[in-house]
Amino acid sequence: DGGITQSPKYLFRKEGQNVTLSCEQNLNHDAMYWYRQDPGQGLRLIYYSQIVNDFQKGDIAEGYSVSREKKESFPLTVTSAQKNPTAFYLCASSIFGNPNEKLFFGSGTQLSVL
Amino acid sequence: AQSVTQPDIHITVSEGASLELRCNYSYGATPYLFWYVQSPGQGLQLLLKYFSGDTLVQGIKGFEAEFKRSQSSFNLRKPSVHWSDAAEYFCAVYQDTDKLIFGTGTRLQVFP
Repeated sequence: DGGITQSPKYLFRKEGQNVTLSCEQNLNHDAMYWYRQDPGQGLRLIYYSQIVNDFQKGDIAEGYSVSREKKESFPLTVTSAQKNPTAFYLCASSIFGNPNEKLFFGSGTQLSVL
Repeated sequence: AQSVTQPDIHITVSEGASLELRCNYSYGATPYLFWYVQSPGQGLQLLLKYFSGDTLVQGIKGFEAEFKRSQSSFNLRKPSVHWSDAAEYFCAVYQDTDKLIFGTGTRLQVFP
């Protein structure tokens, strides 16, 4: 079945550590997105990519980095510069440039600080 | 910039009662509007969408939404709520055709 796979489901970060969240899709979608979800704040866009080897900052990119070396993969690194990383992270994909197309979401990664 | 407001953080209804979740948007042109639902610890699932045509849109699970340009609203409705509808609901609008902007969400609790 086609879909988006996020791993791990739960992740713990130590002080000063970088961690990477995985997102893989087999839907042949061009566009991929990372959202951060905090209680009461809805989903906020971190980064998005419309094509391989290209990506743009969203509203809250500071302290995060991404890469898009393959169409299927869009990993997110939470760096030590992100001082409040505890949140639920959602990856999504869609057909680029067609706002009539819905986003497909992964099941999320809960990141917590030790 | 486009924005979405969901004024109700938390709504509680009895099973079998009707439901209306409010959504207001800020956008100059005809917006592309969506409602998504999220179960705890899961990703989001599309309920319905509007981008043109009939202002009353039917979605999955018995939900519908009405686009009212004069009120800048896209409220979600269901005539009879089931316990399985308990979840968080998000309204969203496309910004510049390449970014989906979400509201802050409304958590629905259903009492038997």
